[in-house]
Amino acid sequence: DIQMTQSPSSLSAVVGDRVTITCQASQDISNSLNWYQQKPGKAPKLLIYDASNLETGVPSRFSGSGSGTDFTFTISGLQPEDIATYYCQQYDNLLTFGGGTKVEIK
Amino acid sequence: QVQLVQSGAEVKKPGASVKVSCKASGYSFTTYFYIHWVRQAPGKGLEWMGIISPSGGSTTYAPRLQGRVTMTRDTSTSTVYMELSSLTSEDTAVYYCARGGGSYANYWGQGTLVTVSS
Repeated sequence: DIQMTQSPSSLSAVVGDRVTITCQASQDISNSLNWYQQKPGKAPKLLIYDASNLETGVPSRFSGSGSGTDFTFTISGLQPEDIATYYCQQYDNLLTFGGGTKVEIK
Repeated sequence: QVQLVQSGAEVKKPGASVKVSCKASGYSFTTYFYIHWVRQAPGKGLEWMGIISPSGGSTTYAPRLQGRVTMTRDTSTSTVYMELSSLTSEDTAVYYCARGGGSYANYWGQGTLVTVSS
């Protein structure tokens, strides 16, 4: 099984801050990685696919990068509506989610 | 518009089975897209359970659930089912169906809470 390790598990930032979340795979997964946003009580929403491609309709302040085992998700200018938990998900071998990163406003 | 509507909340006793339905609409059920099942225990992260192809019915399950989970579909009603057997308290979770390709899910159902309690 491929394990996905996200860090940090939670963070607190000011509106307008640049927020960065990392995701590490237990083996090389090329660019087989997606990022999701989940707001409390809601279903997840796909934001980024294939490591760096923005899903249609997703604001451009969200971005993703990386390949191999190390990936980064960035919010360039945190907005109040971005309060959520973010998950990475690999699809190189079946599907596995990371543990999640809860983003809060300071 | 694409919609996935799931069945209602369930309460089950340990050892029982549960069957959750997911009715799709707004697109052609048996074309390219797959249906994933993902669950989330209270206060925990997301766990991928498996995937079914509505066109041919082929399935792939997460190894840790293999033998306990069965996914089926009814093309006449555009509905996918997920059955989980030998329930324990650790299966208490919100269960989501989601449409996507084999590698992603971009349309999600509203979730079904399954509570396992004696």
